[in-house]
Amino acid sequence: GAGVSQSPSNKVTEKGKDVELRCDPISGHTALYWYRQRLGQGLEFLIYFQGNSAPDKSGLPSDRFSAERTGESVSTLTIQRTQQEDSAVYLCASSPRQLAGGYEQYFGPGTRLTVT
Amino acid sequence: KNEVEQSPQNLTAQEGEFITINCSYSVGISALHWLQQHPGGGIVSLFMLSSGKKKHGRLIATINIQEKHSSLHITASHPRDSAVYICAVRPGGNNNDMRFGAGTRLTVKP
Repeated sequence: GAGVSQSPSNKVTEKGKDVELRCDPISGHTALYWYRQRLGQGLEFLIYFQGNSAPDKSGLPSDRFSAERTGESVSTLTIQRTQQEDSAVYLCASSPRQLAGGYEQYFGPGTRLTVT
Repeated sequence: KNEVEQSPQNLTAQEGEFITINCSYSVGISALHWLQQHPGGGIVSLFMLSSGKKKHGRLIATINIQEKHSSLHITASHPRDSAVYICAVRPGGNNNDMRFGAGTRLTVKP
């Protein structure tokens, strides 16, 4: 079946502009995660959605970052007034259940964001 | 000090060698994951474990909860195993986030 998809695959934007990144999780997966990977660095957790519960936003680095998800479908990550330090690969992952339930994550291919 | 430490940072092996990658963590966890990141950037989940040992093909993952340590072993390594291997832990309690190691870059030469 189809895996996690993300769009766009690459995005180049000017400093100060807003960007919106999209994630389509695997159908039926209730949990959805956004991560960031800066060049040469490890993955960083950004935000977690589980069904219709309030999202866990504890990883968002600033109030310029926000994310939405309607039900168990598509999620969008929005970065306002982009800065050069926002340049990174943004990865989305989905899971059939919350991790504590013992389910693995399935990663999308990522969106490479470059802020010039 | 990072909450998740991996060693070695880089590893070069000859085809056929037995590979071990180590992960130590400093927080209480509910689960530990081993991920594989291919040169093109795609990430695949290899294992999720909270105790004991799991095996999938040539890959074996072990975890010692008391020692807060996990190892990923690759038997009969092959050039296609070349990738970055990432250890990630989900903290215990009500945490939903994941804490990631910096990764181990493995190169297997033919």
